[in-house]
Amino acid sequence: DIQMTQSPSTLSASVGDRVSITCRASQTIVSYLAWYQQKPGKAPTLLIYKGSYLESGVPSRFSGSGSETEFTLTISNLRPDDFATYYCQQYHTYSLTFGGGTKVEIK
Amino acid sequence: EVQLLESGGDLVQSGGSLRLSCAASGFTFSDYAMRWVRQAPGKGLEWVSAVSSTGGSKYYADSVQGRFTISRDNSKNTLYLEMHSLSDEDTAMYYCAKGRDGYNVRDAYNMWGHGTMVTVVS
Repeated sequence: DIQMTQSPSTLSASVGDRVSITCRASQTIVSYLAWYQQKPGKAPTLLIYKGSYLESGVPSRFSGSGSETEFTLTISNLRPDDFATYYCQQYHTYSLTFGGGTKVEIK
Repeated sequence: EVQLLESGGDLVQSGGSLRLSCAASGFTFSDYAMRWVRQAPGKGLEWVSAVSSTGGSKYYADSVQGRFTISRDNSKNTLYLEMHSLSDEDTAMYYCAKGRDGYNVRDAYNMWGHGTMVTVVS
């Protein structure tokens, strides 16, 4: 299985900050990477697919970049609603795998 | 409105069995591959299983292979997960999820249900 490693595991930031989360794959996944946001007690929601494509309805302050084995989710101008846990997911193989998650906390 | 509604979660004894259901509405269910994802309390997301739009192709995580069976009834717009030989490691919230691109099993998930909780006790 492809292993997905996210960093950092926790990130402390303030409203208005620009933050970045990295996801590394153990082998190439081309651009078959998605990013999700999850709030406590809720199901995840899709933010980014195919590495850099913004899902419909997702604010443009979210952006994704990268290819092959290294990917980044960037949130510019962090809003109060953005404090949550973020997961990457590869879907290059039938055995999909998620990263361990990054919790974005209020500093 | 697209909706996925899971049910069937329960408290079950170790070694027991359970069947989860996911009722879909608001989209042409038979046009989409579907999948189950679980999340143990306080832990991350784990893909469990996926099934093609027709039900003819099925995929499982190593951790559930041979114990879980995914199926679907396109006439009822319902996805199922049959679980056997349950252990405390299977304790989790189980979500069903719909992909963006329809038939593609390997896909990002743009719609998730609210989840159903499975608790395995010894």
